[in-house]
Amino acid sequence: AQKVTQAQTEISVVEKEDVTLDCVYETRDTTYYLFWYKQPPSGELVFLIRRNSFDEQNEISGRYSWNFQKSTSSFNFTITASQVVDSAVYFCALIPFSGNTGKLIFGQGTTLQVKP
Amino acid sequence: DTEVTQTPKHLVMGMTNKKSLKCEQHMGHRAMYWYKQKAKKPPELMFVYSYEKLSINESVPSRFSPECPNSSLLNLHLHALQPEDSALYLCASSPETGGNGYTFGSGTRLTVV
Repeated sequence: AQKVTQAQTEISVVEKEDVTLDCVYETRDTTYYLFWYKQPPSGELVFLIRRNSFDEQNEISGRYSWNFQKSTSSFNFTITASQVVDSAVYFCALIPFSGNTGKLIFGQGTTLQVKP
Repeated sequence: DTEVTQTPKHLVMGMTNKKSLKCEQHMGHRAMYWYKQKAKKPPELMFVYSYEKLSINESVPSRFSPECPNSSLLNLHLHALQPEDSALYLCASSPETGGNGYTFGSGTRLTVV
């Protein structure tokens, strides 16, 4: 099966708290791509990161960091010192390489609410 | 130009109307996609065009008709829609089908009355 699971439906934190959004994926492919997108209330999908299956290096971009672990099929996303502007729905997504369809398989999304 | 432009941003249509959604990109991408997103759900793929040819139709009802007139333009023609078709319609493009350079437009919010 090709599947992405975001077990956390909603998370609520107070500003300046750190928060981790979990993502677990399933794929039979050895080559695949993983993504995180942010969707604010306005609706557009904002690209945050793309990782290919051969690159397990963790990444940090400002207050954002990502932990990719193939051993546990997880690609978790941490926001450090959260801010109200981080409030949005966050989607983890997968593109398996086989078939070369370009189809993005999304998780169900995690709604993050950051309170002042 | 690194954008995917979708028009209109909002559309209200009756069940007997015919309307079209438009998507344009000038990044030289050869793969273009239509996704549908219902409220509080993730986007779901509808169609994929690769080199202006339809490569994937995810069993979408025929009241949705895609068209790719050239490599920069993707249309979605709508006819005899139902209220349950109300959703956010997102267009995306990428250099080829695959994981590189996926870019989404800001979407068309469609309401069928």
